Formats: sequence, structure tokens, C-alpha cells
Amino acid sequence: DAKTTQPNSMESNEEEPVHLPCNHSTISGTDYIHWYRQLPSQGPEYVIHGLTSNVNNRMASLAIAEDRKSSTLILHRATLRDAAVYYCILRVNSGYSTLTFGKGTMLLVSP
Amino acid sequence: GAGVSQTPSNKVTEKGKYVELRCDPISGHTALYWYRQSLGQGPEFLIYFQGTGAADDSGLPNDRFFAVRPEGSVSTLKIQRTERGDSAVYLCASSLTMRTEAFFGQGTRLTVV
Repeated sequence: DAKTTQPNSMESNEEEPVHLPCNHSTISGTDYIHWYRQLPSQGPEYVIHGLTSNVNNRMASLAIAEDRKSSTLILHRATLRDAAVYYCILRVNSGYSTLTFGKGTMLLVSP
Repeated sequence: GAGVSQTPSNKVTEKGKYVELRCDPISGHTALYWYRQSLGQGPEFLIYFQGTGAADDSGLPNDRFFAVRPEGSVSTLKIQRTERGDSAVYLCASSLTMRTEAFFGQGTRLTVV
């Protein structure tokens, strides 16, 4: 699986937007970009995924660079409940491919 | 109709003992995954089941680790002759197919003393 690079940690204030970056310069044409997050003492949970176009859902937005070598997860208004470790993962969408987690970005949200 | 259920939530065992960790996936999910997570690290892949068969067991660290899913639903991760280095949170996940989003349980925290 292609490798992703994320900052170790980021800080935000409540009610403010958060932009979590991910670099994946070795991404291949068949790799989807997945984001999961892990709240304290919980298992990871799915956030969003995309291939080329920007994606929106009720949890977040995913902005994908035109060359696909980087992407940004956007939380439009951070809440205290969004404090978690966010993982950016590349996953091939043909045949079998597991989720390979890195260390992720720990997001700290202050009131 | 809840999510992925893992039991027990905590397990303390003595070095050298045998342990079994259970995973109840979401009903109808054909894909099931086991991961292991050490403190400060992301989850590490252990094994993947498609139905009853282990389609990928490349993440199992050694032959003390074994997992089964005999009827394509509940899965059990078995660890023989436990070592202190096996202490970690063991996570189970299931998904409808091998390409759809994975749903994780809350994990079993295993402590080997």
C-alpha cells in the first residue's frame, strides 16, 4: 500500500474550521483516499473517502488536490467531540485491500 | 442490531496462558478483520476473513496466533503461550463487502502479566 504522511498533532478551537492535511505522493491511479478517526478508548470509525473529486458528507468534507498527491479533511465547525486521532489511508478499490493505518494526526480541540 | 461487539472488554492473563477473544460482527457482513493496537500507535492488521475462510493472515506475528470464523459470522482470535509483548488492544472490524467501509468494535484490552 502507498504511504501517507500526516502531522503528528494539530490544535483547534471549538466552533472553528479545521483542515487536516495528508500527503500521499506515491498514490496510484486506483487508490482511494479514506479517512477514519479514533476517539479516546474507541475503535476507529469511518469518516469519508474519495478518488478524485471533492466529497462532502454529514461529518466532513474531503478536498483532493488535482494531482492527487495530497488531500485535506475539513471539519467545518470543530466540537469537543471531534477531538480524536485522524487517519488518512490509501486503499485500492479493486480486488482485496485491507486498511493500513499509520500514526495519524491527533486533533486537540479547546473550548 | 448494534454494531460490532467484542468480548471481553478487558482480559488480564498470566504469561504462558492461552486466551480467546471473541468478535460478533454486524449481521450480514461478509468481511471481518482483526487488528492489534499498541499504545500511541495506529492499529496493525492481523488477519482478514471473507466468509469462513482466512483470505489474508499475513499480519499474524507468529504461530502462537490463530483465528477462526467457522460459520462466517462470529470470529475468535486465539493466542497460545501468551507473552508480555502481546499486551495490546485487539480490535475487530466488519464490512458488508471487502471494499465498503469498515465498522470497528471497541476492542479487547489484553494485559499479560
